[in-house]
Amino acid sequence: SQQGEEDPQALSIQEGENATMNCSYKTSINNLQWYRQNSGRGLVHLILIRSNEREKHSGRLRVTLDTSKKSSSLLITASRAADTASYFCATISLGGTSYGKLTFGQGTILTVHP
Amino acid sequence: EAGVAQSPRYKIIEKRQSVAFWCNPISGHATLYWYQQILGQGPKLLIQFQNNGVVDDSQLPKDRFSAERLKGVDSTLKIQPAKLEDSAVYLCASSLWQNGGYTFGSGTRLTVV
Repeated sequence: SQQGEEDPQALSIQEGENATMNCSYKTSINNLQWYRQNSGRGLVHLILIRSNEREKHSGRLRVTLDTSKKSSSLLITASRAADTASYFCATISLGGTSYGKLTFGQGTILTVHP
Repeated sequence: EAGVAQSPRYKIIEKRQSVAFWCNPISGHATLYWYQQILGQGPKLLIQFQNNGVVDDSQLPKDRFSAERLKGVDSTLKIQPAKLEDSAVYLCASSLWQNGGYTFGSGTRLTVV
C-alpha cells in the first residue's frame, strides 16, 4: 500500500524557475525522505527529515514537514535541465501495516526545459 | 565507497521461466531490501533482511518468489515461474541503520513476454 502521495503527478518548468512538490501521508512517521530517480536508473537519496524537525536544507533543496497536516514539501530552487527526473517521497512509519518500512509514494515527474 | 551492485542490468524471459537477480550491498550495511517498481509507480517493498535473517516478507508472493541472504552479505531474489505481471524493475537497497537513508542499486529491468 502507498503511504505517501505526491502532488502534482507531473510538473513542467523553465530552467531557473523554482519547483515545488508536495507529499501527504497517512500514519505517524519516524522520518520522511525524498529520493530522485533518473529514467531507467536507481533511486538516489536526497534528504531525510525527522518527525521533530520542521525544515531542512541541502544545497538548492529545501524540505518542510508539517506533522499536524501529515504533509511535506520539496522545493528545488533555480532549477536546471539536469534536475529533470522523478521525485519520490518515502516515509518510515510508526504504525499500521507499514510500521518500520520505508514506503514510497507514486512520485512526481519533473521536467525542466532549457 | 562502492555502491550497491546489482546484476544483471536487463533480463528478458518467457512466462513460466525462472529468473534470478543478485545484489551486493554496501560493506557494513546490515539491512538489505528488495523492492519491485512497476512502470509509473513507486517502489514496493518485497522483503527486508537484517544480516541473514528475514525481518519482513509480508508483500513477497511466496508461491513464486524467494529470496536469501547467505552469510549476511550478498542476496539473491528468484522468481519461478514468472508471470507477465512480474515485468518491473527490481531494486536492491541497503542501509546502515533501519531508520536511515537507503542506498539503492541501479536495478534489474525484467521483461516477461
